[in-house]
Amino acid sequence: GIQVEQSPPDLILQEGANSTLRCNFSDSVNNLQWFHQNPWGQLINLFYIPSGTKQNGRLSATTVATERYSLLYISSSQTTDSGVYFCAVGLIRYNTDKLIFGTGTRLQVFP
Amino acid sequence: GAVVSQHPSRVICKSGTSVKIECRSLDFQATTMFWYRQFPKQSLMLMATSNEGSKATYEQGVEKDKFLINHASLTLSTLTVTSAHPEDSSFYICSASDRKGGEKLFFGSGTQLSVL
Repeated sequence: GIQVEQSPPDLILQEGANSTLRCNFSDSVNNLQWFHQNPWGQLINLFYIPSGTKQNGRLSATTVATERYSLLYISSSQTTDSGVYFCAVGLIRYNTDKLIFGTGTRLQVFP
Repeated sequence: GAVVSQHPSRVICKSGTSVKIECRSLDFQATTMFWYRQFPKQSLMLMATSNEGSKATYEQGVEKDKFLINHASLTLSTLTVTSAHPEDSSFYICSASDRKGGEKLFFGSGTQLSVL
């Protein structure tokens, strides 16, 4: 089946540092979203990015669909960035909107 | 963005009872909704696709008789965990797509189920 692997699995940063999170997937996609899951479990939409590059404040994301990976960049990290980051993909062959979630990256930012 | 409301946020029940979780799309119509479950420190696993007016489609390994899904209207899907047992304790999250915004999925705030 589809493999959606994220790296690193865990990341510890000091406030102000930059980081890059990676999402590799093993099939052709027509949807890719990045989420931040806060300590209460709420999934927060960060980016809808099946291809190309987008930026939103300190966050940016790039998806290279032909090479089957996506990157999430966090610059000048803050303690409020802590939590788990998931990428999720929708496969072309599914012909539905369902998303398959990656393994996640747990980020801890310390002051 | 589109809003998906999920209720209740937390439920504690005795083993053997049934629990119903509601998922509503507040400002858009959703012909399709999705149900996920998440165990502690794990990723979200898709359980089933809820289709308005027809039977749900379950992922491999998910017991359809245990997790009953009803999608009777374009804004409401329900998940009923029947004869719940402690191993059903988990975080359940629903999602729906707002076609106006492309194929982006929006998620409810989740339901923490604890079965004693």
